[in-house]
Amino acid sequence: DMKVTQMPRYLIKRMGENVLLECGQDMSHETMYWYRQDPGLGLQLIYISYDVDSNSEGDIPKGYRVSRKKREHFSLILDSAKTNQTSVYFCASSLTVNQDTQYFGPGTRLLVL
Amino acid sequence: GDSVTQTEGQVTVSESKSLIINCTYSATSIGYPNLFWYVRYPGEGLQLLLKVITAGQKGSSRGFEATYNKEATSFHLQKASVQESDSAVYYCALSFYNQGKLIFGQGTKLSIKP
Repeated sequence: DMKVTQMPRYLIKRMGENVLLECGQDMSHETMYWYRQDPGLGLQLIYISYDVDSNSEGDIPKGYRVSRKKREHFSLILDSAKTNQTSVYFCASSLTVNQDTQYFGPGTRLLVL
Repeated sequence: GDSVTQTEGQVTVSESKSLIINCTYSATSIGYPNLFWYVRYPGEGLQLLLKVITAGQKGSSRGFEATYNKEATSFHLQKASVQESDSAVYYCALSFYNQGKLIFGQGTKLSIKP
């Protein structure tokens, strides 16, 4: 069963705390993505990972970093979270960067107080 | 840059009535984009509803249809008769070959009146 999982699903943090969002996929997809979605806006790409240790910035990378040490796992890290990082975060994967169908996780709702 | 516009943030349709959700795009990247509709049901991730990669062609899935109109730069989603189970948020998106990322519209929440 093709699946993208995200943990945690809900998270509340205080400003200045570190945040770790985890994403996993069981499809051996090369490419993985982190997006965020704010009210009234479409999903925006934060980072893209082409494979293990091969990551590139997306459109809004400031304040975020990522880690991909295994093909099936892709982490999003917020060092010293800010209130404007309150958002819903989606992870996605695709077979390769050229395969257009992306499979999405259920999202993580992050609130930074 | 490239962008996608969905003019309606929320649409309410009576059960068994027809639906149209508007989507237009603006693309400055070279070539023609691939166009997608994704759907997000409550509590779930986005899932692909349909995609069209050739201008002029129509995609269809689960009773939904969308035609890639490159002259009007539109990709409207239509369904002849909606059901309660169609309640969800619908996202129009585009991508260009080898860019990887999807560019999304803001989404349209569809509510069905019984």
